[in-house]
Amino acid sequence: QVQLVQSGAEVKKPGASIKVSCKTSGYTFTAYWIHWVRQAPGQGLEWMGRINPKSDGTNYPQKFKDRVTMTRDLSISTVYMELNGLTSDDTAVYYCARTLLHFLDVWGQGTLVTVSS
Amino acid sequence: SYVLTQPPSVSVAPRQTARINCEGDNIERKSVHWYQQKPGQAPVLVVHDDSDRPSGIPERFSGSNSGNTATLTISSVEIGDEADYYCQVWDSNTDHQEVFGGGTKLTVL
Repeated sequence: QVQLVQSGAEVKKPGASIKVSCKTSGYTFTAYWIHWVRQAPGQGLEWMGRINPKSDGTNYPQKFKDRVTMTRDLSISTVYMELNGLTSDDTAVYYCARTLLHFLDVWGQGTLVTVSS
Repeated sequence: SYVLTQPPSVSVAPRQTARINCEGDNIERKSVHWYQQKPGQAPVLVVHDDSDRPSGIPERFSGSNSGNTATLTISSVEIGDEADYYCQVWDSNTDHQEVFGGGTKLTVL
């Protein structure tokens, strides 16, 4: 079955960087884009960007363009999301999800990132 | 950038029909997708492309899209439907970004 399995929870200090992984299985890795979405405590969903595993092309919203980088490793069907310059506002659950035509049909389990001094 | 507006909360009694709106400028020109999220869980796709249901989603979940309003309709609401619901569209005009509504908490009385 299709699965997206994310790396575990992390605690980071302000100013640090975080790199979350999303390991995929059960489908052709290069056939679907992977998106990242985050959710701050008690808040809604916020789109952070997408990566095309086939071309390595990415799209980021203006809010994250200077701080986020999405990459992939074809050999292990895994996508990574790195976020720099962490502040307390980046405390959130981070999700990866796959898409074929703009709807996110399978999601990872989420990774809690806590930013605290 | 494109904005999607949802009511913060909707309440409904069991076995009644719940309707959750998602408002956006000429939203009928876009494909709208809906997600259900229960506490502590990842979102689950319940309707895509305005009115299509993924496999495994009950027929009680349906969607429509007209004018400036898209609607998720849940008929014969069950206790287990209590959750947050989010609408989402692709905004091809602004950095090709995905946009989420603010979410609606469905309470089953």
